[in-house]
Amino acid sequence: EPEVTQTPSHQVTQMGQEVILRCVPISNHLYFYWYRQILGQKVEFLVSFYNNEISEKSEIFDDQFSVERPDGSNFTLKIRSTKLEDSAMYFCASSRQFSNQPQHFGDGTRLSIL
Amino acid sequence: QKEVEQNSGPLSVPEGAIASLNCTYSDRGSQSFFWYRQYSGKSPELIMSIYSNGDKEDGRFTAQLNKASQYVSLLIRDSQPSDSATYLCAVNYGNNQGGKLIFGQGTELSVKP
Repeated sequence: EPEVTQTPSHQVTQMGQEVILRCVPISNHLYFYWYRQILGQKVEFLVSFYNNEISEKSEIFDDQFSVERPDGSNFTLKIRSTKLEDSAMYFCASSRQFSNQPQHFGDGTRLSIL
Repeated sequence: QKEVEQNSGPLSVPEGAIASLNCTYSDRGSQSFFWYRQYSGKSPELIMSIYSNGDKEDGRFTAQLNKASQYVSLLIRDSQPSDSATYLCAVNYGNNQGGKLIFGQGTELSVKP
């Protein structure tokens, strides 16, 4: 069964450093998402992406965050200058449509900011 | 502010019993509804999707949707210890919201052998 893959599984970074989280969505999916989950809290939407453009973003997704589809398979989330409060699990998801289709999640990247 | 509410639990049921998980949502513009299972330290795993009023069954799982009451539920029949996890209700607001999923805080289910 096709799945969303994310790398790395765990990233440890010093505060203020840039970090790039990588995702390979399911191959026939065109809609991509990033979510995060701080330990013990809800899964929170960050951004959705379609046709090489951001479709929707949350208040969390400020100027420090960016997303990119650098080639036909990868989808990345960059955090320019990390803060302690960016420590969380980051999940990539993909779907066939924005509506009436389920989103399938990758295994996540645990980001730890020191 | 769009909200999705779940009882956080823990909900404890004996093996073989029916587990009933509930979810309410605040916005009538909601278009599609999902239940995900999340084991500790793992990612959300899709269990059920439901798009119209009524019941939808898949194996031991039944999802129920009542849009008038803004209520979604998940029934797990013949509960197994391996069903012990946190169950997340998620609501999708469709194209106008870029497919954003709003998650509830999850209900922790414990199935006792």
